[in-house]
Amino acid sequence: AQSVTQPDARVTVSEGASLQLRCKYSYSATPYLFWYVQYPRQGLQLLLKYYSGDPVVQGVNSFEAEFSKSNSSFHLQKASVHWSDSAVYFCALSISNNRIFFGDGTQLVVKP
Amino acid sequence: EAAVTQSPRNKVAVTGGKVTLSCNQTNNHNNMYWYRQDTGHGLRLIHYSYGAGSTEKGDIPDGYKASRPSQENFSLILELATPSQTSVYFCASGQYFGPGTRLTVL
Repeated sequence: AQSVTQPDARVTVSEGASLQLRCKYSYSATPYLFWYVQYPRQGLQLLLKYYSGDPVVQGVNSFEAEFSKSNSSFHLQKASVHWSDSAVYFCALSISNNRIFFGDGTQLVVKP
Repeated sequence: EAAVTQSPRNKVAVTGGKVTLSCNQTNNHNNMYWYRQDTGHGLRLIHYSYGAGSTEKGDIPDGYKASRPSQENFSLILELATPSQTSVYFCASGQYFGPGTRLTVL
């Protein structure tokens, strides 16, 4: 069965520091992979997605993610975070672009 | 970019009442989904649809019905609302989400 694991429930970083949010998936083949961001009292916004090809995917607001088949991972990264990046981030996967399975989310807190 | 809208955005209902949450999409995607989001549970799939006329049970369908009368519209129906259904409900079309409906059942 397919699943998504985000091992860190909460990550705290200082403004201007680099960021990595971890995501591991379980599926026998290569799934479609997504990162979403949710700001307080808002819906989920798609940050980036990976279907195939270049394992490094660029997203909105200078976020990027790197797919690793050998590690079954899809970690989200940003070189320098801003206080406005504070939000909950969800990693997700889809099989053949059908239903999406979500991780439990990582709360990102950016300290000024 | 695809647009997914939900109505109402906020709803207060009484126990035992009927509640209908509506979702409309403009990206012509076949797949649509209803999730609920509760603290400590993340996003849980209630019902989904592969196209007009189709509905499928998700992971927590009990107490909910769904209706997909057209490609654009997908509704979630609570025939007899209960306080345990107080939550935030999100509709999705493909990979795009609506803004959510905050439902309170008193």
